[in-house]
Amino acid sequence: QSALTQPASVSGSPGQSITISCIGTSSDVGGYDYVSWYQQHPGKAPKLMIYDVSRRPSGVSNRFSGSKSGNTASLTISGLQAEDEAEYYCSSHTSSSTLVFGGGTKVTVL
Amino acid sequence: QVTLRESGPALVKPTQTLTLTCTFSGFSLSTSAMCVSWIRQPPGRALEWLARIDWDDDKYYSTSLKTRLTISKDTSKNQVVLTMTNVDPVDTGTYYCARILPTGGWHVFDYWGQGILVTVSS
Repeated sequence: QSALTQPASVSGSPGQSITISCIGTSSDVGGYDYVSWYQQHPGKAPKLMIYDVSRRPSGVSNRFSGSKSGNTASLTISGLQAEDEAEYYCSSHTSSSTLVFGGGTKVTVL
Repeated sequence: QVTLRESGPALVKPTQTLTLTCTFSGFSLSTSAMCVSWIRQPPGRALEWLARIDWDDDKYYSTSLKTRLTISKDTSKNQVVLTMTNVDPVDTGTYYCARILPTGGWHVFDYWGQGILVTVSS
């Protein structure tokens, strides 16, 4: 199972909106509404930000939103803040009942 | 309050078997819909899913690693154990255990352990 494709880096100024893409195939992203997004700060465990494409866990800011179109899922961060600077990973259920992660995207707040 | 903690050796020699234990609290693996997974992360690299075990003892493994992995649970001790045979330096990384969100769809990790760094070297 190949990793999902994410851009290596995305940057934006405080207050701006950015979008991170996550490209898969019809056997993972495109086939199921089971895409999740995790935020990871250096030296820390990942934190769940979005699951089931667009659902937000309790306690996660509504500045984070998720969507999907075909084989591509997206995470949008609106009103970018300094604390949002981190690595972001997408993941998807696959047709083999396994899980595949993306390669990660480094978000930089300018 | 849900917590998970990984334990095991920090250093393992190539070809040896690595055994990691995840000790958790705040939920029971004998409860319906409860599941735990292992995920690893080589230094400076992306997350990689390894295995999952469910409350009913169903097990799922990474396709590329399934011949080397075994996941098991001890419900009475609130522990999940992962063994990896024939380790290689490429297996070096931080190993996490994580609980799967009971109300989410497949492999959604709502609580994570702090991770344990395992180095494979002679």
